Amino acid sequence: GQQVMQIPQYQHVQEGEDFTTYCNSSTTLSNIQWYKQRPGGHPVFLIQLVKSGEVKKQKRLTFQFGEAKKNSSLHITATQTTDVGTYFCAGSRAAGNTGKLIFGQGTTLQVKP
Amino acid sequence: ETGVTQTPRHLVMGMTNKKSLKCEQHLGHNAMYWYKQSAKKPLELMFVYSLEERVENNSVPSRFSPECPNSSHLFLHLHTLQPEDSALYLCASSQDLGRGWTDTQYFGPGTRLTVL
Repeated sequence: GQQVMQIPQYQHVQEGEDFTTYCNSSTTLSNIQWYKQRPGGHPVFLIQLVKSGEVKKQKRLTFQFGEAKKNSSLHITATQTTDVGTYFCAGSRAAGNTGKLIFGQGTTLQVKP
Repeated sequence: ETGVTQTPRHLVMGMTNKKSLKCEQHLGHNAMYWYKQSAKKPLELMFVYSLEERVENNSVPSRFSPECPNSSHLFLHLHTLQPEDSALYLCASSQDLGRGWTDTQYFGPGTRLTVL
């Protein structure tokens, strides 16, 4: 079945350092979404990418969707302690979509002040 | 506050108990979802409802029984659960299932379930 793999699983950075998480799908995706889950919280939607090669920015966060629509990345510039949490990518397959989002395992970010 | 509420927030139950989880969304959405989140696995989609009709049953054991009486409410009825069913159960809603893609999902705070 369709799988969405996310790496790394964990990342510890010093405050001010950059951070990147990568998401790879075994099949072509129609879109990809990114969510953030704070410790003890629930996933909160960050952004959706739909177009091949699309790049979107939210302040210090940069999201990319690959040309083949099978991979995506989230890059955080100059991390802050408020960036702590688990970042999930989630995609739905391009063909026969039934509203099913497949989530990656998530990357848990720890930021040392 | 995302407009999706879940009760109870915490639940401890024995393997022979019957309990229900409740989800309510105040966003006017047409699609609702149940997910299971456990420590060592990614978010697992369990059920999808669109306009009160179940459109996805992701090979979930029959000890989990969903119910969607209207587009604002979703229940998950639990009976004879196993300890490995202990997890965070998240409800989500979206405007619709989407046309060729999946709409943004709004998650509730979850119910932390412990099965003894």
